[in-house]
Amino acid sequence: RKEVEQDPGPFNVPEGATVAFNCTYSNSASQSFFWYRQDCRKEPKLLMSVYSSGNEDGRFTAQLNRASQYISLLIRDSKLSDSATYLCVVNRGNYGGSQGNLIFGKGTKLSVKP
Amino acid sequence: NAGVMQNPRHLVRRRGQEARLRCSPMKGHSHVYWYRQLPEEGLKFMVYLQKENIIDESGMPKERFSAEFPKEGPSILRIQQVVRGDSAAYFCASSPRQDRSGNTIYFGEGSWLTVV
Repeated sequence: RKEVEQDPGPFNVPEGATVAFNCTYSNSASQSFFWYRQDCRKEPKLLMSVYSSGNEDGRFTAQLNRASQYISLLIRDSKLSDSATYLCVVNRGNYGGSQGNLIFGKGTKLSVKP
Repeated sequence: NAGVMQNPRHLVRRRGQEARLRCSPMKGHSHVYWYRQLPEEGLKFMVYLQKENIIDESGMPKERFSAEFPKEGPSILRIQQVVRGDSAAYFCASSPRQDRSGNTIYFGEGSWLTVV
């Protein structure tokens, strides 16, 4: 099982659509969870952290289920500018003694069309 | 306030040559991380350094790859005798302190290595 698995994508949606990304992780020691956004040939940029209680930032809502080791991201009223690859990221926690060591999913590509 | 600076942004090397990638962390940051992103893949952790120390190199290939972060100057990721499979984007990140959570880490724009 991969450490972080995401929907394979790509997702092609019209403007204004609601789109959901799912992610599962295998490392039960992970303590921190994130969604990053990566544009083509650019660095990943933090979109939002994900908290156990769920959190929202404008059109973006993230959820975490620790019991099932599942993370989600919901984008409402999608914009053309949301087109990017969305990366599910967890920290390695104490596993293997690594510190500050992030585990990235392969990402799901989103294309929002007019 | 400059972010994490990487250079060169693009580098082309022939098989067998050496590649040197440089990373200057954000001002005030003394912790540096290198990640590699192969085509169509996610980023993979390679190495974590503090000034003059390698803290965690669990993601570094055993041969041809080395990293340093000297007391003065940028962090360097060195790849000797490059092969086509080394073609990838190499991202550097920095944090102001030991970052267990991943909350305080900032990425540079990356260095794209192409081996021909």
